[in-house]
Amino acid sequence: DTAVSQTPKYLVTQMGNDKSIKCEQNLGHDTMYWYKQDSKKFLKIMFSYNNKELIINETVPNRFSPKSPDKAHLNLHINSLELGDSAVYFCASSYTPGQGGLGAFFGQGTRLTVV
Amino acid sequence: KQEVTQIPAALSVPEGENLVLNCSFTDSAIYNLQWFRQDPGKGLTSLLLIQSSQREQTSGRLNASLDKSSGRSTLYIAASQPGDSATYLCAVILGGSEKLVFGKGTKLTVNP
Repeated sequence: DTAVSQTPKYLVTQMGNDKSIKCEQNLGHDTMYWYKQDSKKFLKIMFSYNNKELIINETVPNRFSPKSPDKAHLNLHINSLELGDSAVYFCASSYTPGQGGLGAFFGQGTRLTVV
Repeated sequence: KQEVTQIPAALSVPEGENLVLNCSFTDSAIYNLQWFRQDPGKGLTSLLLIQSSQREQTSGRLNASLDKSSGRSTLYIAASQPGDSATYLCAVILGGSEKLVFGKGTKLTVNP
């Protein structure tokens, strides 16, 4: 019954590795997001997709590549991981802003630790 | 550029107190404003959503108000309980944008 689910919940990996985080929503939303929460707990948007189309890319290094196979899924692939990538990554979804709905719904987060 | 500020950054109150959390934003052209709660090590739980045409929303002991012209929102928590202890986040969506802009949150501690 989970509305927005992301896997894995925890990810520990070495510098230089490539890793992916998966996200799925079953709410019928057409917009999905990736947010990064840094060590100071500040949430900042990374990407936004609307109906599988990239809408927002907030100056994220191109080592980060989102992929949306359909509007219910938005995955995040990270190449050549660096220590500074350690953070909690949140997936979220909503209806197109301004077109009603109950706002944005967030997944439980993926805590990425790069060692 | 939209900026969202939340005051105070942290708040500690005894159980049973009524309290107000504040959120201000610099650009009043917003679609809506959403309040979230985040427990340590957990995701975000949506508490209340206020559309730009609305002035307030209520859910149980929570009441959120919105004054677009002054760029402010408040979250009122009545009869606080220890279970209300969490970080409360305010976020706005700008008109024509596909993103929420978050404040840095208010960490609330309700002491038994």
